[in-house]
Order: sequence, then C-alpha cells, then structure tokens
Amino acid sequence: EIVLTQSPGTLSLSPGERATFSCRASQSVSSSYLAWYQQKPGQAPRLLIYGASSRATGIPDRFSGSGSGTDFSFTISRLEPEDFAVYYCQQDGSSPITFGQGTRLEIK
Amino acid sequence: QVQLQESGPGLVKPSQTLSLTCTVSGGSITSGNYYWTWIRQHPGKGLEWIGYIYHSGTTYYNPSLESRVTISVDTSNNQFSLDLNSVTAADTAVYYCARYDSGSIDYWGQGTLVTVSS
Repeated sequence: EIVLTQSPGTLSLSPGERATFSCRASQSVSSSYLAWYQQKPGQAPRLLIYGASSRATGIPDRFSGSGSGTDFSFTISRLEPEDFAVYYCQQDGSSPITFGQGTRLEIK
Repeated sequence: QVQLQESGPGLVKPSQTLSLTCTVSGGSITSGNYYWTWIRQHPGKGLEWIGYIYHSGTTYYNPSLESRVTISVDTSNNQFSLDLNSVTAADTAVYYCARYDSGSIDYWGQGTLVTVSS
C-alpha cells in the first residue's frame, strides 16, 4: 500500500500568516487521485482539494494545492481563525485508499 | 444536497459483530458513479479506509480488514451497511459513512462512536 507521510506534524502560526503543508508518498500517485481534507474536533473531515489542485465546491480561494508524483503540497494563503484544525492528505492512485497521519495547525 | 447518517449500536462486546447502517438522503444511492464508503478513526488518531460498495453490489475492501468485513447495499431503502465480525478493543473507533467520487470523498456522515467492551 502507498504510505503518505505528512509534515510537519504540527504547525504553529498566527491568523493572517501563510501555511504550507507537505504530503510525501512512498510511491508515485496520479495527481487525479490526491485529495486534502480539513477536520475540526468532533466533526467529520471536509473535502477541500481533489485532483491535487482543484478546489471542492464552496471552498475559498485562499486554499490551494499542487504537486505531482510523490510530492504534494497544500497552502492556505492567509489564515483565518476558522482554519485552525487538522489537515489530511489522501490517495487513491493505488488500492487501498490511504490517508496521511495529519498535520495539526494550531494558533501561535 | 446529499446527506448521510450512520446508525447502530454504540457498544459491542468483544468477539461479536459490529453492524452499522448508513441512510442516504438528498439523492438516490443508484444515481451516478459513486462508491458508498466506510471509514473509521481510532480515538485521537488518523483515518482508515474500510471499504466501499457500488450500487450494483460490487465491493472493495482494505486488505487489512478484508477477512472480517462485509459491506452490503439496500437500494430500495437507499441504505448501505457495514458488518465487522470478531471485534476486539482495537476496533473501538468513530465510524463514518461517506460517498466516494473519482478519487476523493465528497460527502461524509457525522460519524458514530462504537466502543468494543464487555
């Protein structure tokens, strides 16, 4: 199975700053099958980015994704208070579907 | 707007079978090329894909759970279900039902905590 490694484990930033998350795959993943999710405490994950770089319906343009092969990244250009949460990457280029271990974005 | 809702016991005894149902509203489970999915999250941990089913009944399971998992679909009631047998404390988790569409999971239920304990 493809292992996704996210870094950093925790990101401490202030509102208004830029956040960048990394997701590295143990094997090449088709960009069509790389997604990013946000999860807040007590809630289900919410799809933010699919196909590595396409924003899901209703997702603000401060969220963006990029990458290919084994290296993918996700950026929040200017943090809002509601953005502090855990972020996961997910692949389905090769079965089984796997998720990264998550990056926690906390308020500095 | 598609909505999914999990239902089932919140407490299961060790060695027994965990059974959950997901009711889909706001759209037919037979429309589109969607796979109806189960995912779990151990307390304080990451996400684990359990498996999914197409409305025709075709299933795909995570090899790590395949020997214990059955996912089924009831198109007449717009529901799909999860059975996980021979459970242990390691199966204690929040279980989510969700919709998979071409590489990503776009709609999720709210999740239901299932605890395995005697």
